[in-house]
Amino acid sequence: KAGVTQTPRYLIKTRGQQVTLSCSPISGHRSVSWYQQTPGQGLQFLFEYFSETQRNKGNFPGRFSGRQFSNSRSEMNVSTLELGDSALYLCASSFGGFANTGELFFGEGSRLTVL
Amino acid sequence: QQQVKQSPQSLIVQKGGISIINCAYENTAFDYFPWYQQFPGKGPALLIAIRPDVSEKKEGRFTISFNKSAKQFSLHIMDSQPGDSATYFCAASKGAAGNKLTFGGGTRVLVKP
Repeated sequence: KAGVTQTPRYLIKTRGQQVTLSCSPISGHRSVSWYQQTPGQGLQFLFEYFSETQRNKGNFPGRFSGRQFSNSRSEMNVSTLELGDSALYLCASSFGGFANTGELFFGEGSRLTVL
Repeated sequence: QQQVKQSPQSLIVQKGGISIINCAYENTAFDYFPWYQQFPGKGPALLIAIRPDVSEKKEGRFTISFNKSAKQFSLHIMDSQPGDSATYFCAASKGAAGNKLTFGGGTRVLVKP
């Protein structure tokens, strides 16, 4: 069974540009969550999508957005990049549903460097 | 506001020793407490998890102890092995928030052979 796949794995952008990251969840998983990981702030929740609807949102500015497609694949977009957006962006999938499980399956992440 | 505080930031243990990582939370609405293990270059992976109605849960060499009144929980790694060298994160979530996990700051564990 294939795991969570994130693309691209590495990318370099300059300030002011925008970036789109992609995530393919484990087959059968309907929930996709995104997290930002930095040395200073650790792992921070960005948002969660379930059945193409944003179900939860973290405390990030509106420059951070996401969406989910009917096949559960998800993308996140960061516009007007800032130096502080340099981070490892992790996607996690789960079956979803109303029960709280916390059992997330993470991808290896997309490492974004903003110059 | 850091809702889950984790300590220590790093620890070194000899092979065969016990690694202990502690976490404290503030939000009493949290009802699910997982621990994740992360190796360099990889995403975090679920190690073990506990709910507040249980005071202890053991899976192999890994044990979670939970103290609801103190709002604290800890991870014990028994008979630590070099392959356990990784960063460990505690986390917490509440039922209505689905898969929104609040993570602790992480503990880098190094097991010396």
